[in-house]
Amino acid sequence: KNQVEQSPQSLIILEGKNCTLQCNYTVSPFSNLRWYKQDTGRGPVSLTIMTFSENTKSNGRYTATLDADTKQSSLHITASQLSDSASYICVVTGADSWGKLQFGAGTQVVVTP
Amino acid sequence: DADVTQTPRNRITKTGKRIMLECSQTKGHDRMYWYRQDPGLGLRLIYYSFDVKDINKGEISDGYSVSRQAQAKFSLSLESAIPNQTALYFCATSDPGTRRADTQYFGPGTRLTVL
Repeated sequence: KNQVEQSPQSLIILEGKNCTLQCNYTVSPFSNLRWYKQDTGRGPVSLTIMTFSENTKSNGRYTATLDADTKQSSLHITASQLSDSASYICVVTGADSWGKLQFGAGTQVVVTP
Repeated sequence: DADVTQTPRNRITKTGKRIMLECSQTKGHDRMYWYRQDPGLGLRLIYYSFDVKDINKGEISDGYSVSRQAQAKFSLSLESAIPNQTALYFCATSDPGTRRADTQYFGPGTRLTVL
């Protein structure tokens, strides 16, 4: 069973609107959680990284939150743009690993004009 | 990420053929990785290398082999390709630093189709 579950699988939003993506994980002990953006035909690119003690991190219009107690994270996209159309991947690193990442399957976001 | 390049970008081959995918990086990172991505699944680790003399199997290494020719080069081989190895393959690098900041940098991917 995947230790990182993301929802929804996909969503369509109108340009200018906000959206929130969810990530639940079971990786334990926990080290850090990253959100990656993967454009079609490209490799994933890191957006944010949060450790156990951080509960929010922003990168421009992207804001990630982390609740390490409930093992949940969210990625909020504000005032979406067409360029936000991509897959967003939640990635968790366990504290007892050498840096091995556990990847979620991603949420496919489509922003329409 | 232009600092991590993969060749070829697309490849179609037949069952039983030997295939090599190549990865080069100019980031100066010691650690390199090979992943495959299938629709609806997260990226899965095939092999990883912490330096030229250190190569380790990932979670799905069967049917694959790797070679770390230099710090900057890490190749993935499919000894005898089969259709279920059709996937998108990514190379990645990382700089150890502190383990908690071990962000990985991905190449553009190679789309492999095995007929």
